[in-house]
Amino acid sequence: SYELTQPPSVSVSPGQTASITCSGNKLGDKYACWYQQRPGQSPVLVIYQDTKRPSGIPERFSGSNSGNTATLTISGTQAMDEADYYCQAWDSSAAVFGGGTKLTVL
Amino acid sequence: EVQLLESGGGLVQPGGSLRLSCTASGFAFSKYAMSWVRQAPGKGLEWVSGISGGGDITYYADSVKGRFTISRDNSKNTMYMQMNGLRAEDTAVYFCAKDRVLVGASQGFDYWGQGTLVTVSS
Repeated sequence: SYELTQPPSVSVSPGQTASITCSGNKLGDKYACWYQQRPGQSPVLVIYQDTKRPSGIPERFSGSNSGNTATLTISGTQAMDEADYYCQAWDSSAAVFGGGTKLTVL
Repeated sequence: EVQLLESGGGLVQPGGSLRLSCTASGFAFSKYAMSWVRQAPGKGLEWVSGISGGGDITYYADSVKGRFTISRDNSKNTMYMQMNGLRAEDTAVYFCAKDRVLVGASQGFDYWGQGTLVTVSS
């Protein structure tokens, strides 16, 4: 079955740029999306179709996808961005999530 | 305003059954695929099952295939998940999620419910 691999944790200083990667075989041939989940809350879609932001998502969130890696980039990271982030793609009639990355803003 | 409200969770013994419901409002329910996604305590997200807007195409994760059945009643704006043969490893919060497409490859889940907890234990 298809697998997506994310680093368990990423740390960033406030105001700096955070990058979270998601790796999968030929992931660039599929659409990737990203979710933010704060503790005790439901996930929120922050990027879809590799690079698009849903209405209401700040411009500091951006995405890319090429080769075997999709990347979520958060520019000018704020304390409120501290959360778990999950990538997701579709393969062989199934949605697949990455294991999640805990973003710490310190 | 889009709202998704799950219900039906609870405590069940191993081997038992439960039926989850997800009632939707605020959008044209029949025009969008829907999915169930679960999250075990302290763990990541796991997609469980999806269904096309018309209800004629269904998808399942290998972990639940043959035990869970997804369905929807578009006249009631409601999606269901019949869960049979429950195991301890099925213990999780179950979220319903709206897809951005009618059918086929998911383009992302743009709305989520608050989730309902299913606990499988003797």
